Amino acid sequence: ELKVEQNPLFLSMQEGKNYTIYCNYSTTSDRLYWYRQDPGKSLESLFVLLSNGAVKQEGRLMASLDTKARLSTLHITAAVHDLSATYFCAVDMGNNAGNMLTFGGGTRLMVKP
Amino acid sequence: ETGVTQTPRHLVMGMTNKKSLKCEQHLGHNAMYWYKQSAKKPLELMFVYSLEERVENNSVPSRFSPECPNSSHLFLHLHTLQPEDSALYLCASSQGAGGLSEQYFGPGTRLTVT
Repeated sequence: ELKVEQNPLFLSMQEGKNYTIYCNYSTTSDRLYWYRQDPGKSLESLFVLLSNGAVKQEGRLMASLDTKARLSTLHITAAVHDLSATYFCAVDMGNNAGNMLTFGGGTRLMVKP
Repeated sequence: ETGVTQTPRHLVMGMTNKKSLKCEQHLGHNAMYWYKQSAKKPLELMFVYSLEERVENNSVPSRFSPECPNSSHLFLHLHTLQPEDSALYLCASSQGAGGLSEQYFGPGTRLTVT
């Protein structure tokens, strides 16, 4: 059974600081997704990582994937309040019929002014 | 309408009621999904439909019954639910069949079982 673990589960940080969220998973996969969820809202896709060594950046967020270590990271650079949300990673064990996502427990990020 | 829509957004039902959740995607995708998000557990995949056929059922109790009449619509029929079924139910779609792509999520239905 695939297990996906995120840490930390909760992160409080000051604006302007850097931090990294970690996503470890238990079974080989080379497809991993990062999502953002604001309170009371649905999930918004942030990054799609489809190969070992994949790195993607959007604004202050950068995601990477190491399939050998079964690890993905989401790095936050110079955090701002607008980044406050819950971040989820999800590992895909699907096939051509569709995605089979297993989600991590989420990291609730709070950025303080 | 754009993206993935879900109705109703909020639903309160008794344990003896029967209700249905509706999901519609306007993205031309061919795979649709139901997820359950409860306070104490990670997001759980419930059902997967690809090209209108069910391809995955993650041991979901029979009181949840999905229906996919076409590639744009997905329903979740509910009957004799339990209080622990109270959760946010999310629908998603992707261009799944024939290739892998990210999933797009609807706003969810907040279900409360009394």
